[in-house]
Amino acid sequence: DQQVKQNSPSLSVQEGRISILNCDYTNSMFDYFLWYKKYPAEGPTFLISISSIKDKNEDGRFTVFLNKSAKHLSLHIVPSQPGDSAVYFCAAVGSARQLTFGSGTQLTVLP
Amino acid sequence: GAGVSQSPSNKVTEKGKDVELRCDPISGHTALYWYRQSLGQGLEFLIYFQGNSAPDKSGLPSDRFSAERTGGSVSTLTIQRTQQEDSAVYLCASSLAPTGGGSYTFGSGTRLTVV
Repeated sequence: DQQVKQNSPSLSVQEGRISILNCDYTNSMFDYFLWYKKYPAEGPTFLISISSIKDKNEDGRFTVFLNKSAKHLSLHIVPSQPGDSAVYFCAAVGSARQLTFGSGTQLTVLP
Repeated sequence: GAGVSQSPSNKVTEKGKDVELRCDPISGHTALYWYRQSLGQGLEFLIYFQGNSAPDKSGLPSDRFSAERTGGSVSTLTIQRTQQEDSAVYLCASSLAPTGGGSYTFGSGTRLTVV
């Protein structure tokens, strides 16, 4: 049973527009949520995180929103750039301190 | 080194053979994790080491998988009697402490192909 779900395997966005990547989770005991970006043949790279006590965290072009009542988080990238094209993974951390990952969303930013 | 180093980067092995995958974490990082990513799948947790505590082995898929971490630093993931379903990218990550806020750094992975 997947505790972290990314229901969209792929997303295409025009350069300069907003990219919105979504993630749902089932475990209410998760206390941190993270987004990672992964290029082919490389390990995942940390992008941004949010604590469960917050509902928004912003870092440059990246903003993560957390809706605890809906057990939903999203990553907004604005403006999107071609270099943002990668697989984006949502991950959650609970008391066991291991990362539980979603299945990823392939983002393609079209020039 | 500056990052998490994994070796080999690629490994092709015959079904039934044993393989060892190595991870050199960032110096001083007390927590070390192994994950794997099968084709078209997300990252699957395998095992977690924290300092001198007993490792969390809850993600290991079978008793053919084992891992050790010597001296609180280098870790080796061993797969015995490899099967074709073991083919995946095996990723190692380390963190300074088991915090939640994003301090996990991943290596580039070992791509294992069992033929």
